Amino acid sequence: DAKTTQPPSMDCAEGRAANLPCNHSTISGNEYVYWYRQIHSQGPQYIIHGLKNNETNEMASLIITEDRKSSTLILPHATLRDTAVYYCIVRGQVYKLSFGAGTTVTVRA
Amino acid sequence: DAGVIQSPRHEVTEMGQEVTLRCKPISGHNSLFWYRQTMMRGLELLIYFNNNVPIDDSGMPEDRFSAKMPNASFSTLKIQPSEPRDSAVYFCASSLREKLFFGSGTQLSVL
Repeated sequence: DAKTTQPPSMDCAEGRAANLPCNHSTISGNEYVYWYRQIHSQGPQYIIHGLKNNETNEMASLIITEDRKSSTLILPHATLRDTAVYYCIVRGQVYKLSFGAGTTVTVRA
Repeated sequence: DAGVIQSPRHEVTEMGQEVTLRCKPISGHNSLFWYRQTMMRGLELLIYFNNNVPIDDSGMPEDRFSAKMPNASFSTLKIQPSEPRDSAVYFCASSLREKLFFGSGTQLSVL
């Protein structure tokens, strides 16, 4: 599976959009980009995933560049409850999700 | 649905003792995963079951670890004998298709 690179941490103001970058320059054509988050003391939670098109759901939007070498997760209106570690994962084999270090996002009032 | 249910929530044991962690997946899900999380190594996949059959156990650290899934609604992860380096949070997750749903985890402390 392709490896991903994320910034270790970022801050965001409550009510503002949070844009979380992820680089996956070695991604191959059949690999999906997944985003999960882990709030302190809880299990990881699925956010969104995509292959090549931009995706949006009730939690977030996923923007994947045309060459698929990077993506951005957008939390449109961050709240304090969005403070968590966010994992960008490139998934090849159906069952294998490899979690890296992720980005620790702190939403400040 | 109640989600993935793990028990116990916390477990404190002494080195050498047997530890059994339990997981009830979401009804209807056909895949089950056991993960371990530590500060040093992050989240690691230990074993993956599909339709109750172990498909990939390459992440199981050593023979002291074993996992079973006797039916579609129950799985166990056993450590025997336990060692202090096994201290971690153990997560169970289940899925039907592409999304994994994780339980709240078992915090294991081996003294």
